[in-house]
Amino acid sequence: RKEVEQDPGPFNVPEGATVAFNCTYSNSASQSFFWYRQDCRKEPKLLMSVYSSGNEDGRFTAQLNRASQYISLLIRDSKLSDSATYLCVVNLAKDSNYQLIWGAGTKLIIKP
Amino acid sequence: NAGVTQTPKFRVLKTGQSMTLLCAQDMNHEYMYWYRQDPGMGLRLIHYSVGEGTTAKGEVPDGYNVSRLKKQNFLLGLESAAPSQTSVYFCASSYRDPMSVNTEAFFGQGTRLTVV
Repeated sequence: RKEVEQDPGPFNVPEGATVAFNCTYSNSASQSFFWYRQDCRKEPKLLMSVYSSGNEDGRFTAQLNRASQYISLLIRDSKLSDSATYLCVVNLAKDSNYQLIWGAGTKLIIKP
Repeated sequence: NAGVTQTPKFRVLKTGQSMTLLCAQDMNHEYMYWYRQDPGMGLRLIHYSVGEGTTAKGEVPDGYNVSRLKKQNFLLGLESAAPSQTSVYFCASSYRDPMSVNTEAFFGQGTRLTVV
């Protein structure tokens, strides 16, 4: 089992709709969680950190479920510009070193 | 604002050739990283550095070497390139400890390397 798993998609969603996707992680000792966005043939950019109590940034809401070991990203009122691949990232302290474990990403396509 | 700059952006190597990928950041970040990104896989950490003069192995270090002689530069070397090293390479840097909740990694634009 991969340490961080995401549905690769693509999710094809009409403009204005709400879309949500999850990311599961295997190690219960994981401490920090992030969502990054990556446009086609571009570098990843931080979208938002994920806090234990959940957090919101405009149309984006991130939540953490430690009991079930997943994080989620919800996008409301989706825009064409939201089309991208969304990468889930988990920081994990392992053998006195840190490891930054990246999911393979979920591709989102917003259609007019 | 330059941020993180990688050179070159594209390169084709023959098996057995060597090359160095250059990464420079102008944000005075302590932490720097080299990743590779392959289709269907998440970014995988090759090597990283927690400060000038330090380097450490990541998840997939074999076949690569790194150096951090200056705080702003992090070099990735391939001594004898193999087709399995065909990938997109990203350099990144961060100000905070990677274990911090609010750590943001800033990435370069990537280097597309093909080994034939």
